[in-house]
Amino acid sequence: NAGVMQNPRHLVRRRGQEARLRCSPMKGHSHVYWYRQLPEEGLKFMVYLQKENIIDESGMPKERFSAEFPKEGPSILRIQQVVRGDSAAYFCASSQSGPRYGYTFGSGTRLTVV
Amino acid sequence: KNEVEQSPQNLTAQEGEFITINCSYSVGISALHWLQQHPGGGIVSLFMLSSGKKKHGRLIATINIQEKHSSLHITASHPRDSAVYICAPQGETSGSRLTFGEGTQLTVNP
Repeated sequence: NAGVMQNPRHLVRRRGQEARLRCSPMKGHSHVYWYRQLPEEGLKFMVYLQKENIIDESGMPKERFSAEFPKEGPSILRIQQVVRGDSAAYFCASSQSGPRYGYTFGSGTRLTVV
Repeated sequence: KNEVEQSPQNLTAQEGEFITINCSYSVGISALHWLQQHPGGGIVSLFMLSSGKKKHGRLIATINIQEKHSSLHITASHPRDSAVYICAPQGETSGSRLTFGEGTQLTVNP
C-alpha cells in the first residue's frame, strides 16, 4: 500500500510557464490537502478537496492558482504563468474520512522558477 | 502574535539526552499534530492528539487543552532524530486546515 505519491519531486519552470503538480492519495483516501512551504518559511494551507469538490480554498492565491481532484486520477495543483515567488515546496496530504482522522503527507514537489 | 508559538527555535543536544519541544497556541482546537521534516525530505506525521498523552517508541507527546499547550519529548536522543519538528493545531471551526508553528530545528550530535 503505497503512501501519498507526489510527482514530480523536482520541477523547474521558466517565468511565464505553467506548472502542474500531481498528488495521488493513499488507497482508500478521498480527502486531499495541499500545503506550500516557501523558502525559510513555515507551511501554509492552500486548499482542501474531496473527489470532484473543492471544500476549502481559502489559502489559495486568487489568481493563477487552481486545484482539482477528479473522479478518476490524481489531484492536480496548477500554477499558470509562474513567477519567481512561486518557488517553494508543495506538499500534498490525504486522509480517509476527513481531517479528524489524521493525515499522511507526500514527499513534496520542489518547484523552482528561473 | 502568532497563533502557534514553538520553542525553542533551535536545539542542539548530545546523543542520549532527553529532549523537550514546546508548543503554545491561541485558538480552540479539535486536535493537534506533531510533524517531522528532514532536510530536503518529506513530512512525517508523528502524532495526532486531542487530549492526554501518546507514546510511540522513544517519542512522547502530551497536550493540555485548558492551557493550550503541547509538548513533544524524545528520550535517549540519537543523531537520526535530527530534523525539524513542527506543531500543527487543527482548528475547531476551520475544519480542514492545519495551522503550523515555525518549527524547531533539532540537531543531535554523536
